[in-house]
Amino acid sequence: ETGVTQTPRHLVMGMTNKKSLKCEQHLGHNAMYWYKQSAKKPLELMFVYSLEERVENNSVPSRFSPECPNSSHLFLHLHTLQPEDSALYLCASSRRGPQETQYFGPGTRLLVL
Amino acid sequence: LAKTTQPISMDSYEGQEVNITCSHNNIATNDYITWYQQFPSQGPRFIIQGYKTKVTNEVASLFIPADRKSSTLSLPRVSLSDTAVYYCLLSGGDQGGKLIFGQGTELSVKP
Repeated sequence: ETGVTQTPRHLVMGMTNKKSLKCEQHLGHNAMYWYKQSAKKPLELMFVYSLEERVENNSVPSRFSPECPNSSHLFLHLHTLQPEDSALYLCASSRRGPQETQYFGPGTRLLVL
Repeated sequence: LAKTTQPISMDSYEGQEVNITCSHNNIATNDYITWYQQFPSQGPRFIIQGYKTKVTNEVASLFIPADRKSSTLSLPRVSLSDTAVYYCLLSGGDQGGKLIFGQGTELSVKP
């Protein structure tokens, strides 16, 4: 257990569905992140929230919509996804600073049909 | 953002010491070197972090030469459960919280 939880762990959705991924951290951190990991590929940073403000958006399509209501919770809202969006979606959190270390959740395995 | 380079894969046997070297020629003065471990379908797990010389914890050791242009992760007496992908990253400093994950090193430990 890393102190970062993600739900659901597995999700199957059609291209017309709307779903949300949830992440919660219990570490008192002040930054949260969404990553995407496709099969046999490195992790790709999607969004960064620092002090509940979005500070990074790595050219992610608008069908992915993040939300950070407070420093402990992070959501990723999904709508009209494509099959190529099937991947492992990972949430991480950290305390910003020189020796910043990110702690990752277990991920949500998403399959888009 | 500075990049890191590490071998794509390595093989080892149980009980051996494994050393994975990472090069980071363009490391910035205030960058830290961080290593993560990832098992299939799981999130990466922090292993060790260092700035210079040697750092040791209960899991691994990290050796960093004076010029900091490379680093070596040392895993003592590996077991089958150490089979995973190991990532070397630069963190903090100029990275601004961004972690740039490369391909990592896929370590396979055999009996």
